Amino acid sequence: DAGVTQSPTHLIKTRGQQVTLRCSPKSGHDTVSWYQQALGQGPQFIFQYYEEEERQRGNFPDRFSGHQFPNYSSELNVNALLLGDSALYLCASSLGGPHYGYTFGSGTRLTVV
Amino acid sequence: KQEVTQIPAALSVPEGENLVLNCSFTDSAIYNLQWFRQDPGKGLTSLLLIQSSQREQTSGRLNASLDKSSGRSTLYIAASQPGDSATYLCAVKWGGSQGNLIFGKGTKLSVKP
Repeated sequence: DAGVTQSPTHLIKTRGQQVTLRCSPKSGHDTVSWYQQALGQGPQFIFQYYEEEERQRGNFPDRFSGHQFPNYSSELNVNALLLGDSALYLCASSLGGPHYGYTFGSGTRLTVV
Repeated sequence: KQEVTQIPAALSVPEGENLVLNCSFTDSAIYNLQWFRQDPGKGLTSLLLIQSSQREQTSGRLNASLDKSSGRSTLYIAASQPGDSATYLCAVKWGGSQGNLIFGKGTKLSVKP
């Protein structure tokens, strides 16, 4: 049973560029959440998608946007990259109810230079 | 403000020792609490999920307890091994929050042979 799959694993971008990260949820999961983890910190919630709509959003600027497809896979887009956007981006999938646990992917390491 | 705190930030123990990692949280109205393990530069591996109605969960050498009234959870690791060396993260989902797991900063565990 495949878990959560993220691509790419590593990415280097230049300030001002745009980036798209991709996530395929665990089989049977319909909800995808994205987190940003800076070095030495716990993950910070960016947003969650359910039924192809953004259900909740954390304290991130509009430069961060996302999408969920009918097959439940998801994309995270970041525009106008800043040096401070360098981090590990984690995707988590779950079922839609509040009592379910989360399964995380291995993450995408984004470096902005 | 809903916050999760993990103390200590780092812990070093000799192999074979039993140990306890601590997690405290504000606001007892939680849905559940999840413990994760993270190896350097990697994603999160779920260890244990405790629902708000439960007092503890066990998996192999791991036992997690939950005391909502005091806002505390502990992760007990029995007979520690060098392979247990990793960062352990505690994450809480609160009522009213559809998808927002709030994480502590983690405890970095080192088990010396």
